Amino acid sequence: EVQLVESGGGLVQPGGSLRLSCAASGFTFSHYWMYWVRQAPGKGLVWVSRINSDGTDSTYADSVKGRFTISRDNAKNTLYLQMNSLRAEDTAVYYCTRAYYYDSSAHWPFDSWGQGILVTVSS
Amino acid sequence: EIVLTQSPGTLSLSPGERASLSCRASQSVNSNYLAWYQQKPGQAPRLLIFAASSRATGIPDRFSGSGSGTDFTLTISRLEPEDFAVYYCQQYGNSPRTFGQGTKVEIK
Repeated sequence: EVQLVESGGGLVQPGGSLRLSCAASGFTFSHYWMYWVRQAPGKGLVWVSRINSDGTDSTYADSVKGRFTISRDNAKNTLYLQMNSLRAEDTAVYYCTRAYYYDSSAHWPFDSWGQGILVTVSS
Repeated sequence: EIVLTQSPGTLSLSPGERASLSCRASQSVNSNYLAWYQQKPGQAPRLLIFAASSRATGIPDRFSGSGSGTDFTLTISRLEPEDFAVYYCQQYGNSPRTFGQGTKVEIK
């Protein structure tokens, strides 16, 4: 069974930092592109970042570019999101999610999702 | 950035009824790279439809997707009690990947 378990969230002051982790199991983690998606309280889904399978390429939403860094450790089956210079508008539940490989296009939706972890940025 | 606009915002229906949810894109979605997700309160989203009209693994056949270019539809043929939730469309053909704002399907 595919499992994604996020950790590392919590309350942080504006300008602070947090590192989220996502532990993967039940599949060959090193084969999959991975993503972070967030959801502010009562709001919709927003894509944050993605990383390719070997960790050599990543992209970011404009709203987090230069502040957030996605990375992965394939030996530990873990995805990370380093979040710096946090702002109140970064307050959200953060989900890690996996690419759903149905063709070889490099354009994929997201299938398995973690349960999400809450990040609250407030003084 | 491709903006996805979903309508209606809320759909009030009874179990057994048919639901039609719309997703309109601000520009053509490459190769119909359009997905639909279901999200229930306190839960992560679940992939229902990919490539505009293909059902993901384990999704009941009462869920169907259609459309191309800029106009897409998710249809639930007969609503079951467990189908009352929020539904999001997503395009994954262009970067950044974007989601619609969601349609809530509630019990009438």
